[in-house]
Amino acid sequence: DQQVKQNSPSLSVQEGRISILNCDYTNSMFDYFLWYKKYPAEGPTFLISISSIKDKNEDGRFTVFLNKSAKHLSLHIVPSQPGDSAVYFCAAIQPGTASKLTFGTGTRLQVTL
Amino acid sequence: DAGVTQSPTHLIKTRGQQVTLRCSPKSGHDTVSWYQQALGQGPQFIFQYYEEEERQRGNFPDRFSGHQFPNYSSELNVNALLLGDSALYLCASSPSGQGVNTGELFFGEGSRLTVL
Repeated sequence: DQQVKQNSPSLSVQEGRISILNCDYTNSMFDYFLWYKKYPAEGPTFLISISSIKDKNEDGRFTVFLNKSAKHLSLHIVPSQPGDSAVYFCAAIQPGTASKLTFGTGTRLQVTL
Repeated sequence: DAGVTQSPTHLIKTRGQQVTLRCSPKSGHDTVSWYQQALGQGPQFIFQYYEEEERQRGNFPDRFSGHQFPNYSSELNVNALLLGDSALYLCASSPSGQGVNTGELFFGEGSRLTVL
């Protein structure tokens, strides 16, 4: 039962353009959503998060949008840079389960020159 | 300031054997969680330790057990290894009382286990 889904295994974007990574979830109990980035041979690193009471959170080049009615969130990276090339995981948590993240399967982003 | 450190980085075992993986949390962190990441999948939550006790557990059999020591370091033990246990095992730490419901974890590089 995949409660968090990332349907695009890979995405290729030119440097300077916008990257949009999508994520869908099925569990309406999730109240906090996060994006993690993972480089090869490294552990995932936290990128940005959003509470279910918000619909947008911005941090520099990274913006996460949440559409609760559609159970959908997206990560926008503008402008994309070659160093953004990595695997991006969407994750969600339920109230009172601080460390118990439910991850999607990841989207590999490649930013080309 | 050392981040989360895990050992060993790679290991190979045969079916039926037992394995112990180790984790030292980031300085100042007292909560440790373990995740299993199979090839092509996202990390899956195994369990969380805080104050030397298992606080939360994911959908993993009893063959998976853990321990947390007074210095907050942790071990993950897997008994009676199966081929399907081959995966990257990630340790993550966080400070209690901070980011309690935000899911902001610090991950180690992982221990890659191959079961033959």
